[in-house]
Amino acid sequence: AQKITQTQPGMFVQEKEAVTLDCTYDTSDQSYGLFWYKQPSSGEMIFLIYQGSYDEQNATEGRYSLNFQKARKSANLVISASQLGDSAMYFCAMRVNTGNQFYFGTGTSLTVIP
Amino acid sequence: EPEVTQTPSHQVTQMGQEVILRCVPISNHLYFYWYRQILGQKVEFLVSFYNNEISEKSEIFDDQFSVERPDGSNFTLKIRSTKLEDSAMYFCASSFSGSFGEQFFGPGTRLTVL
Repeated sequence: AQKITQTQPGMFVQEKEAVTLDCTYDTSDQSYGLFWYKQPSSGEMIFLIYQGSYDEQNATEGRYSLNFQKARKSANLVISASQLGDSAMYFCAMRVNTGNQFYFGTGTSLTVIP
Repeated sequence: EPEVTQTPSHQVTQMGQEVILRCVPISNHLYFYWYRQILGQKVEFLVSFYNNEISEKSEIFDDQFSVERPDGSNFTLKIRSTKLEDSAMYFCASSFSGSFGEQFFGPGTRLTVL
């Protein structure tokens, strides 16, 4: 069975600082993808970043980077230079090669403080 | 930029009534999905659809749910006899690939069952 765990229900960060949102996963599949989505208060799900299980380098997308540690089964999201607009729920998700559904974590609520 | 659209944005219905939630996936995508998010909880997979048939479904997706792609653009989720616990945000998503790559989410339909 696949499982995503996000242990931080809420996080606070000062504007312009960096913040790390934790995500660990569990799967017996060797081939999988890890995703982060942002959900602002308006409710939509916005794709941020993707990491494939065979990717050797950590994914980066602008201010977002994914700290992928395969042996520890962790895929933490790092947001650099936080902005007020980063305040939202953040969901980690996984997809495995043997299926096409996403498995989501419970989310982390990030609040950026001016 | 192409996007997934969903209508209506908010649906209020009486318990026991049928509802149809509509989605227009991105035009060249081949895989379509429905997810739901009960308020304050994580996003849960309902069903995936490919080549005009269900490819995967979760335990949540019981006989009261059905999906259809009635024409080349729309993808619908029908709930035959709504229950109070069906109140949730319902997200449609689509992807070009079935195994990897991001799924593009629509803005969601908030269903309220009274």
